[in-house]
Amino acid sequence: AQRVTQPEKLLSVFKGAPVELKCNYSYSGSPELFWYVQYSRQRLQLLLRHISRESIKGFTADLNKGETSFHLKKPFAQEEDSAMYYCALRDTGNQFYFGTGTSLTVIP
Amino acid sequence: KAGVTQTPRYLIKTRGQQVTLSCSPISGHRSVSWYQQTPGQGLQFLFEYFSETQRNKGNFPGRFSGRQFSNSRSEMNVSTLELGDSALYLCASSVQGAETQYFGPGTRLLVL
Repeated sequence: AQRVTQPEKLLSVFKGAPVELKCNYSYSGSPELFWYVQYSRQRLQLLLRHISRESIKGFTADLNKGETSFHLKKPFAQEEDSAMYYCALRDTGNQFYFGTGTSLTVIP
Repeated sequence: KAGVTQTPRYLIKTRGQQVTLSCSPISGHRSVSWYQQTPGQGLQFLFEYFSETQRNKGNFPGRFSGRQFSNSRSEMNVSTLELGDSALYLCASSVQGAETQYFGPGTRLLVL
């Protein structure tokens, strides 16, 4: 069963515009949600995790258990935000499930 | 600390052959997970090893196997390669598996 869904394969926004990358999940227990980012020619790396409730590089994500969503948001997109973004869920057995990713392009 | 390293970085094999990929985790990390990344499927979990034991396994056929050594280095093996096995294989390490994972650069496997 698909645990994590990222409905947008590609997303383009203009520099300075708000950006939201969508992530929905299906899991009956208490999952831990993450956003990972992969910049061009770099390794996949953790961007943020919901339990930290922190803002990294201006990005935030709120876990909405009612809507089973964990959307990633940034009020003003920058060119350096262009990358591939993956939403991930870790279940209570420590197994990770990744979405298929959203490629974000910030247009100058 | 040095990051996660994977060898080889690139590999070309033909159908029916077998391949072994290696992953060296960050020093002190005991959990190593393997993922297959393809354009169509994204990242799919293969398995996780912790203290030389397979702790979790994804939904892949038995042709995919792995092991972990006492120094936490891990190998994964794919036997009887198929064209569909062409992918980027990533490994990730963490201290005990319940924390942030750190990914390696991946091994790109091409099966002809």
